[in-house]
Amino acid sequence: GAGVSQSPSNKVTEKGKDVELRCDPISGHTALYWYRQRLGQGLEFLIYFQGNSAPDKSGLPSDRFSAERTGESVSTLTIQRTQQEDSAVYLCASSSPLPYTSGKTNTGELFFGEGSRLTVL
Amino acid sequence: AQKVTQAQTEISVVEKEDVTLDCVYETRDTTYYLFWYKQPPSGELVFLIRRNSFDEQNEISGRYSWNFQKSTSSFNFTITASQVVDSAVYFCALSESGVGGGATNKLIFGTGTLLAVQP
Repeated sequence: GAGVSQSPSNKVTEKGKDVELRCDPISGHTALYWYRQRLGQGLEFLIYFQGNSAPDKSGLPSDRFSAERTGESVSTLTIQRTQQEDSAVYLCASSSPLPYTSGKTNTGELFFGEGSRLTVL
Repeated sequence: AQKVTQAQTEISVVEKEDVTLDCVYETRDTTYYLFWYKQPPSGELVFLIRRNSFDEQNEISGRYSWNFQKSTSSFNFTITASQVVDSAVYFCALSESGVGGGATNKLIFGTGTLLAVQP
């Protein structure tokens, strides 16, 4: 598609259950980012992928959170044993590489998806 | 450590007024990038501008203008003759420079300023 696609758009789950959130970035974008936005708050960095590797996962709040990316395309963010404080909108963004940098450096212009709203009851 | 501060939580103006959104940043890097993003009520963030630390020229794009001042570590955003469609949350963000001089991985976002433009 033309933009960043995220699914599901809405997810309601019970405390303790696992959830998977999916992100389909813009084709050709080598960088992929996950952010979390709690109600009325700013964006909280979670993890960044360059290709299929994650050079910076410093924002993952606990070991219940993990993410992977395959084929330099789709990424999945998994939250295990969800807690009520995990309720938020999870935003995915992708970014294109700067030309002539072999895909190693990004423009920094992030294209965001519409987010996955997670509600943990 | 990097930090972005948007002290104005909420601003309300009447249509056609000018409004300035403040952004103050902290970084120890000499090369960095600054951004503004708009998040309308629909929720999807939209990129507005990127500015690197070596370019202090002010920029104007239609009714939007940006004032970058390294001396005060500020990157303020002004909307001239505001319109109802400008109502949104506006985020300022900061990124370090990566290999090759481009922007790098994570953007550090401020907490956002909610702009409400009344008709």
